[in-house]
Amino acid sequence: DAKTTQPNSMESNEEEPVHLPCNHSTISGTDYIHWYRQLPSQGPEYVIHGLTSNVNNRMASLAIAEDRKSSTLILHRATLRDAAVYYCIRESNQGGKLIFGQGTELSVKP
Amino acid sequence: KAGVTQTPRYLIKTRGQQVTLSCSPISGHRSVSWYQQTPGQGLQFLFEYFSETQRNKGNFPGRFSGRQFSNSRSEMNVSTLELGDSALYLCASSFGTASGNTIYFGEGSWLTVV
Repeated sequence: DAKTTQPNSMESNEEEPVHLPCNHSTISGTDYIHWYRQLPSQGPEYVIHGLTSNVNNRMASLAIAEDRKSSTLILHRATLRDAAVYYCIRESNQGGKLIFGQGTELSVKP
Repeated sequence: KAGVTQTPRYLIKTRGQQVTLSCSPISGHRSVSWYQQTPGQGLQFLFEYFSETQRNKGNFPGRFSGRQFSNSRSEMNVSTLELGDSALYLCASSFGTASGNTIYFGEGSWLTVV
């Protein structure tokens, strides 16, 4: 199962937008893309997910490329509480199996 | 509503022993999956259960097993513990009826093997 590829780390300033990229060039047509974030010593927290169309919720937006080989998680205004490891994940269509990559550690500067 | 609940949160075991971890999914969720998280390997899928049947399994040895009960609660068991089994074990639940269901994680069970 091919994993997704993300930058190891990114920095952002508080109150500014953050664009977290993810490459999933081998994704199949029926695999959903999920984003989770994780704070130290906690379980992953759901952020957003989608299949083909761009998605928005109260936490973030997800922009999926037309060819589905990449996607971008957008945090519209970063806060200090958004500092976490962000995982871009393929959901295999085999029974809800999530395939995690290494994640991007996002730091937010005041 | 209550989230995914895992017990115990922390435990220490000795090499060679066995351990059972428990997971109570969100009410109404029928799919429960398990993941192992270590600093070296990251988050890895162990197995997933739906309506008491194992639907999918990751690449772990047979020492790792699980089951799901009729109320959707799940347990995972690790036998003959090794030092390398020290990890955060995470349980996740969803409706499981199709791909794209939102999947929610518990806080995890921290296992230390000494």
